[in-house]
Amino acid sequence: KQEVTQIPAALSVPEGENLVLNCSFTDSAIYNLQWFRQDPGKGLTSLLLIQSSQREQTSGRLNASLDKSSGRSTLYIAASQPGDSATYLCAVPNQAGTALIFGKGTTLSVSS
Amino acid sequence: KAGVTQTPRYLIKTRGQQVTLSCSPISGHRSVSWYQQTPGQGLQFLFEYFSETQRNKGNFPGRFSGRQFSNSRSEMNVSTLELGDSALYLCASSFSTGEDGYTFGSGTRLTVV
Repeated sequence: KQEVTQIPAALSVPEGENLVLNCSFTDSAIYNLQWFRQDPGKGLTSLLLIQSSQREQTSGRLNASLDKSSGRSTLYIAASQPGDSATYLCAVPNQAGTALIFGKGTTLSVSS
Repeated sequence: KAGVTQTPRYLIKTRGQQVTLSCSPISGHRSVSWYQQTPGQGLQFLFEYFSETQRNKGNFPGRFSGRQFSNSRSEMNVSTLELGDSALYLCASSFSTGEDGYTFGSGTRLTVV
């Protein structure tokens, strides 16, 4: 059964720091991995989708990597800003592609 | 293009009542899935529909049900509401099996009193 773990559960940093959020999964037979951002009480906003054939995806100050063999993905945020404060979730599809399996998320707080 | 639309945004219901939530997927997407989010349990999968057929169901009691219409719009229904059903209900759409990723709606906040 696929399980997704995110470390750390919470992170507080001053503005301007570069930071890394970690995501691990137990079954490496995934065909993609998706990172989401969630603001309090809101829906999920897709940040990056990495296909299994890719090792990295970049969008602005965000860079996500995927290492299927080790069951790990990282989300790198460069030059963090207070507006980056949110909960970040990683998710992988189940084998049939009929559901997403989520980690518990990392809640990020960036202070000015 | 229009995103995933969930209605209503907020609901307050009394224990024992029933509720219906609606989700309109992105145009062209045929898969709609539903998730319950609570502070204690995180995001939990409810069920998924593709072309009006339920393909997958999570571990929830039979009080939770759903359906999908021919235009891919989906509804979920919760009968005999309990206090513990208070949660943010999110729906997501994808083209087929999430190969191009999932897009989520803004959610429906259900409060049971």
